[in-house]
Amino acid sequence: EPEVTQTPSHQVTQMGQEVILRCVPISNHLYFYWYRQILGQKVEFLVSFYNNEISEKSEIFDDQFSVERPDGSNFTLKIRSTKLEDSAMYFCASRRLAGGAKNIQYFGAGTRLSVL
Amino acid sequence: DQQVKQNSPSLSVQEGRISILNCDYTNSMFDYFLWYKKYPAEGPTFLISISSIKDKNEDGRFTVFLNKSAKHLSLHIVPSQPGDSAVYFCAASEEGGGNKLTFGTGTQLKVEL
Repeated sequence: EPEVTQTPSHQVTQMGQEVILRCVPISNHLYFYWYRQILGQKVEFLVSFYNNEISEKSEIFDDQFSVERPDGSNFTLKIRSTKLEDSAMYFCASRRLAGGAKNIQYFGAGTRLSVL
Repeated sequence: DQQVKQNSPSLSVQEGRISILNCDYTNSMFDYFLWYKKYPAEGPTFLISISSIKDKNEDGRFTVFLNKSAKHLSLHIVPSQPGDSAVYFCAASEEGGGNKLTFGTGTQLKVEL
C-alpha cells in the first residue's frame, strides 16, 4: 500500500541552525501538507501546498518557515533559524485532488525535531 | 482555538465490549469529519470518515455517527480488541481552499483483556 515517507525520523539541531525536513508524498496525490505536534498538545496545521504554491498557511508558519517541491517526488519544510519552541513532531500529509477519497489526508510517520 | 474538542482524554474498555469515543465541534462550516488512530512514534493513521450530508458511516467494526444539530460526532468500535489501544483523534475540514484539518486533542483508548 502506498505511503507517505518522511526523513529523518529524528533531527537534533542547535538553536539558530537551519533544518530541512523531507517528505515523499503518495505518488498520485497532488495536495501536500505539513502539521506539527508539540509534546502533549494537539496536531496543528502549518501549511498546505498545491500546484507549486502555498494554498493556505497558519499563524505559526511565519517567515522562518518555507516549503518547496524541488522535484517530482519530494516535498520539504525548511526552518531557517530554529528556536527552542520549534521542538515538536512534524508530520507530512498528502491527498488526492479528486475522487471519492479526496478529503482523506494520509500521514507520514513524522520527524521528531529537537532544538537544543 | 478549540474548534474541535474531545473532552475525554482517556477511555478504558474491556475486550469484546463497545468503545464509544466522542467529539464536539463549534465551526458550522466544517463539512467533512475524520477519525485517525495514532500509536506512539507513528503518524496518524486514517480510520473512517463522514461527510456532513450523512449521519452514519460504517466500515467493519467501526461506525461514525454525526449529529449536525448538536455539532457532535462519535466513533463506535465493536467489538473492541486489544490492538485498538491507541490515541484516537477527531479531525474536521471545510470544503474549499486547502481542506486543512483541525484536530481535537485526542482520546487514549485502552482495551483491556
